[in-house]
Amino acid sequence: AQKITQTQPGMFVQEKEAVTLDCTYDTSDPSYGLFWYKQPSSGEMIFLIYQGSYDQQNATEGRYSLNFQKARKSANLVISASQLGDSAMYFCAMREGPGTYKYIFGTGTRLKVLA
Amino acid sequence: NAGVTQTPKFRVLKTGQSMTLLCAQDMNHEYMYWYRQDPGMGLRLIHYSVGEGTTAKGEVPDGYNVSRLKKQNFLLGLESAAPSQTSVYFCASRGTGGHQPQHFGDGTRLSIL
Repeated sequence: AQKITQTQPGMFVQEKEAVTLDCTYDTSDPSYGLFWYKQPSSGEMIFLIYQGSYDQQNATEGRYSLNFQKARKSANLVISASQLGDSAMYFCAMREGPGTYKYIFGTGTRLKVLA
Repeated sequence: NAGVTQTPKFRVLKTGQSMTLLCAQDMNHEYMYWYRQDPGMGLRLIHYSVGEGTTAKGEVPDGYNVSRLKKQNFLLGLESAAPSQTSVYFCASRGTGGHQPQHFGDGTRLSIL
């Protein structure tokens, strides 16, 4: 069965430093997609970045990059040059298989950026 | 630029009451989803729909029903509310293509007393 694990309930980072949020997954399907979402204290869910299982390169979107290690089944989110506005909950999610419409989410990591 | 709109934003119910949460999207998306978010548990899928007139069960469907009579709307019903259904409910939609992200509404905070 597919599973997403985020082992860091909470993290602190100094403003302007980089931070890595961990995400490991388990699936037997060779085709899958991995997503990261940000949830600020206001509650909305904001899409950050996507990585497909067949993508050769790690995904990047501005200050966000995804450190995709397929053999280790990990898809860590890297935020460079942290800003105070990055303080939020971060969720890793997976969609398994091209014909599957369902997603599973990890339990999230709460990031606090310190001034 | 509405995206996904959830109605209502907050609601307090008494045990045994019924209610319907409405989700509307204006992006012509085929796929729509209802999740619940509880502390420490992330988002869990309740029901989803892959097109108008279709619905399917997710991870935690018990106690909920859904309908998708129109492509742009996805309704979540609680027939007899229970305190265990106190949660924040999110609706999401996405377009076709596996790389497409889900677009979320702002959530509905529901309390069952």
